[in-house]
Amino acid sequence: QVQLVQSGAEVKKPGASVKVSCKASGDTFPNYGITWARQAPGQGLEWVGWISTYNGKTNYAQKLQGRVTLTTDTSATTAYMELRSLRYDDTAVYYCARAFSAYDPRRYFDSWGQGTLVTVSS
Amino acid sequence: QSVPTQPPSASGTPGQRVTISCSGSSSNIGSNTVSWFQQLPGTAPKLLIYTNNQRPSGVPDRFSGSKSGTSASLAISGLQSEDEADYHCAAWDDSLNGFVFGTGTKVTVL
Repeated sequence: QVQLVQSGAEVKKPGASVKVSCKASGDTFPNYGITWARQAPGQGLEWVGWISTYNGKTNYAQKLQGRVTLTTDTSATTAYMELRSLRYDDTAVYYCARAFSAYDPRRYFDSWGQGTLVTVSS
Repeated sequence: QSVPTQPPSASGTPGQRVTISCSGSSSNIGSNTVSWFQQLPGTAPKLLIYTNNQRPSGVPDRFSGSKSGTSASLAISGLQSEDEADYHCAAWDDSLNGFVFGTGTKVTVL
C-alpha cells in the first residue's frame, strides 16, 4: 500500500504561482499514476489532472489547461503540481492520490495524501 | 455532458439502510465505471467502491455499489455513527476527457 505525504500549507498573492509536492513511499513509483484533485472551502471535489509516473504522460482538466503543470521526479519518488496565475477562486485544499494505472487516466484512484491548503489572498 | 448529481443530504437511524444516488450522463456514468469516496470531517477522501461495485480490502461489506445506465447508487446497510460523513461519486467523462465528481451527499446518523 502506498503512502502519500504532501507539502505544507501555502499563502500566495493573486497572479503568483504555487508548487505542491506529493512524496510516495511503500510501492514501486513507476508502477502507477498520480491524480490531483482540489476542494474549495465548503465545496465538492474537482479533478485537476493525472500524470503517469512511468512515462510522464499527462491529462489536465480543461478548466485549468494552460495554468497547471504536473511533473514527477522518479529518483525522489515525488510528484508535483504547479498552478500559475493564481486567482482567488483557486483557494482550496489540493490532494494527490495514487491512480491504479500508469497508462490509463480513466482508472480509479485509491490512496490519498493528507491535502495541502493553498490560500490566495492579497 | 453534466456533472453527476447527488442529493445534498441523506439520513437514517443506527441499523437502517441508506441509499445515495448519483445521476450522470451518457458521457460519464453511461460509458465509464463509477467510484465512491467517503470523506470524514476534516480528512482526505477514502476510496469505498471502485469499478461500480468492488470494495477495496478493509472496507466493510455494509457498503455496496451498483450502476444502471447513466446512474449509480451507494448503499449503506446497518448504518453506524461512524458512517456520518460526506460521500462523493466519480467517473471519467469522455466529453471532458477528465474525471468528474458528483455534487456530494452529507450523511447524518440520527
